[in-house]
Amino acid sequence: AQSVTQLGSHVSVSEGALVLLRCNYSSSVPPYLFWYVQYPNQGLQLLLKYTTGATLVKGINGFEAEFKKSETSFHLTKPSAHMSDAAEYFCAVSDQNYGGSQGNLIFGKGTKLSVKP
Amino acid sequence: NAGVMQNPRHLVRRRGQEARLRCSPMKGHSHVYWYRQLPEEGLKFMVYLQKENIIDESGMPKERFSAEFPKEGPSILRIQQVVRGDSAAYFCASSQMSNEQFFGPGTRLTVL
Repeated sequence: AQSVTQLGSHVSVSEGALVLLRCNYSSSVPPYLFWYVQYPNQGLQLLLKYTTGATLVKGINGFEAEFKKSETSFHLTKPSAHMSDAAEYFCAVSDQNYGGSQGNLIFGKGTKLSVKP
Repeated sequence: NAGVMQNPRHLVRRRGQEARLRCSPMKGHSHVYWYRQLPEEGLKFMVYLQKENIIDESGMPKERFSAEFPKEGPSILRIQQVVRGDSAAYFCASSQMSNEQFFGPGTRLTVL
């Protein structure tokens, strides 16, 4: 069975500092991996995804993540935090048992990012 | 191009009542997924539907919960005889084959 673990339910950084949100996964098949962001009382917005190919994936708002198979990790980073980055971030892995369709997503519990001025 | 629409955004029910949550997928999308988010938790998959078919309902509670996605109209998640533990945010997502899931804004259900 697939699962996702996000280390740290709360992360606080200063504006301009590096953002690092950790995600480890387990999967018996080559995974599809995703990072979503959720602002208060809103739905989830896709930041970036890894399916195949290049292991360093760039997303929106300056975020990127690197797929490391040997470490079963997909950590999310951003070089310089902005106040607007304060939100909750979810890592997810896709179950690919639907003959090509994305399948349902298995989410981590989320990490709330606070950005201090 | 409108995104995924969900209504109502907020729903209050008393214990024992029925809750109906609606989801209109993005134009051209024929795959719909329902997820539930409990407080301080990530989203948990409930059910995956294509038009007129339930593909995977492995995350759906066996009793009181049902879902449909008719040929015409929105997908409906129905919860009968609600209990306080059903209070949560329910998110719908839609996709087309092999593409990313786009999420709606969610319906926040409160059971009194």
